[in-house]
Amino acid sequence: SAVISQKPSRDICQRGTSLTIQCQVDSQVTMMFWYRQQPGQSLTLIATANQGSEATYESGFVIDKFPISRPNLTFSTLTVSNMSPEDSSIYLCSVAAQGNTEAFFGQGTRLTVV
Amino acid sequence: QKEVEQDPGPLSVPEGAIVSLNCTYSNSAFQYFMWYRQYSRKGPELLMYTYSSGNKEDGRFTAQVDKSSKYISLFIRDSQPSDSATYLCAMTPTGGFKTIFGAGTRLFVKA
Repeated sequence: SAVISQKPSRDICQRGTSLTIQCQVDSQVTMMFWYRQQPGQSLTLIATANQGSEATYESGFVIDKFPISRPNLTFSTLTVSNMSPEDSSIYLCSVAAQGNTEAFFGQGTRLTVV
Repeated sequence: QKEVEQDPGPLSVPEGAIVSLNCTYSNSAFQYFMWYRQYSRKGPELLMYTYSSGNKEDGRFTAQVDKSSKYISLFIRDSQPSDSATYLCAMTPTGGFKTIFGAGTRLFVKA
């Protein structure tokens, strides 16, 4: 398994501002994923962060709103831009085991936009 | 129709009960099946992982996969108050990496 550290663990932000969430893994991984978990809901994949190339976004998520960086095989950031109260959610970083089957998660960032 | 269906509960049981959690799915390409446990204000924690059909046991937990019925289950024996959490099923297709999650079932085990 992988140990994933995510920062910040929570934040309260003003609408219209941006927040960058950091994800650090204790081993090199090919693929890192960013999920959103809205209150009472399951996990929705935002994008796959690939090292050395642009992130791949799922339907309904765009790079201008959720820019992602992946500078190396152990680190990624997700920025939530121009936030609105609808962005209030838990954001989770995840990595997949070899073979891309089991996924492991960080503790998540609980974001509240006021 | 969602790819993965899971009853959100909540499910409330007395301590010591056997708990059965279930998911159904529609995509026959799913080959890897996982159960995650998520405590309040925490990220999901991988609990059980099964490949294709069959059973897998780990302590008080048993995962079952019935691919013919597109149905997976997690059984918890001798449930404890510390088992109170949300349990999410998840599955990944062969050759793919996009894991699909169920909605999660909230479980309460009363002392």
